[in-house]
Amino acid sequence: NAGVTQTPKFQVLKTGQSMTLQCAQDMNHNSMYWYRQDPGMGLRLIYYSASEGTTDKGEVPNGYNVSRLNKREFSLRLESAAPSQTSVYFCASSLTRAPNEKLFFGSGTQLSVL
Amino acid sequence: QKEVEQNSGPLSVPEGAIASLNCTYSDRGSQSFFWYRQYSGKSPELIMSIYSNGDKEDGRFTAQLNKASQYVSLLIRDSQPSDSATYLCAVNRGSQGNLIFGKGTKLSVKP
Repeated sequence: NAGVTQTPKFQVLKTGQSMTLQCAQDMNHNSMYWYRQDPGMGLRLIYYSASEGTTDKGEVPNGYNVSRLNKREFSLRLESAAPSQTSVYFCASSLTRAPNEKLFFGSGTQLSVL
Repeated sequence: QKEVEQNSGPLSVPEGAIASLNCTYSDRGSQSFFWYRQYSGKSPELIMSIYSNGDKEDGRFTAQLNKASQYVSLLIRDSQPSDSATYLCAVNRGSQGNLIFGKGTKLSVKP
């Protein structure tokens, strides 16, 4: 049972390069999320998808785009990477967006932008 | 005021002691409260959830909620070195609200 799978695990980019972080879940969850985690800042929500076909901005959406490809997959794209986007990125999913729902996290992507 | 505040620690306790982790939140409309544990280099995992005032116990863990004081805590009894991790408090504001995380408290349990 894989749960939430993220790729890649590590990535180094140069400023201005683009890349897509991939996320897939096999739990038949409706809602998916992208968070970033920085030292001293905690987890911050970038974008979320409440259900297939919808996406919405979170706390820190600038510089990112997302695609909910289907119910299983939710990707995060950096069009022109900046050093400020150096962070650990976590994808998460939940059955619904109800306030009592548990989040299941992927293993994370360590991204460095030079 | 930060939406969810935690003492960053580190909090150091001896093995077998009770570890007490605290969290305050600013939005009185918050409905759901969670504690996630994150080992170094790993992803967060849920260990406790609480939705109503009072205590909720699960094994060695007890979550406490006081909505009037906007305060939620996590007690870990008989602390073990394997409990050494960062504990994240998370608060959900309601049906349309997103989960807001505190910065986490780093716990170290010394053998």
